Amino acid sequence: GAVVSQHPSWVICKSGTSVKIECRSLDFQATTMFWYRQFPKQSLMLMATSNEGSKATYEQGVEKDKFLINHASLTLSTLTVTSAHPEDSSFYICSAPGDPLPYEQYFGPGTRLTVT
Amino acid sequence: TQLLEQSPQFLSIQEGENLTVYCNSSSVFSSLQWYRQEPGEGPVLLVTVVTGGEVKKLKRLTFQFGDARKDSSLHITAAQPGDTGLYLCAGVRTSGTYKYIFGTGTRLKVLA
Repeated sequence: GAVVSQHPSWVICKSGTSVKIECRSLDFQATTMFWYRQFPKQSLMLMATSNEGSKATYEQGVEKDKFLINHASLTLSTLTVTSAHPEDSSFYICSAPGDPLPYEQYFGPGTRLTVT
Repeated sequence: TQLLEQSPQFLSIQEGENLTVYCNSSSVFSSLQWYRQEPGEGPVLLVTVVTGGEVKKLKRLTFQFGDARKDSSLHITAAQPGDTGLYLCAGVRTSGTYKYIFGTGTRLKVLA
């Protein structure tokens, strides 16, 4: 089956610094990728839809200047958390849809971010 | 705004018992998917239901899509400890931007 990887799997950073998370589709091309955020023992909240070659589409309430998304190629999307604060600590998961319709989502293993 | 409400939120049962998880919405979806997630991992797809009234079975799991395509249920027969996990429904929207809206989640624990 299709594989999506994320890097890093966990990261600890200091408040005020920026952190970049990579999401790669290893054996298929993904023109679209999704970024989710998950708080402990809660469900996934869609943050944004990453589109290859164009701007990301952000969900209501998500600060696009804080969560920078770049989809530079058909296999790579990155999420950069800028000027991180402790409240940004969370589990970030990316996914890429496969085919055919309705698309199954192939999820990455997630990245746990802790901001101290 | 969470558009998909799941119930119950938490469920702790003994091995061998049956259970049903509900996923309800006021919105219509093109299709609905059920996922299971283990701690520290990404969700894994269990099933996709597309047609109103559709019923799908996956071993001891039975999934149903409501006639109006606004709700769904997951029934587990003779639950086993290996069924423990977070169950998530996800409505698929294809009008406008294609995206998935996840339900609030049901955390299941099956005791041996």
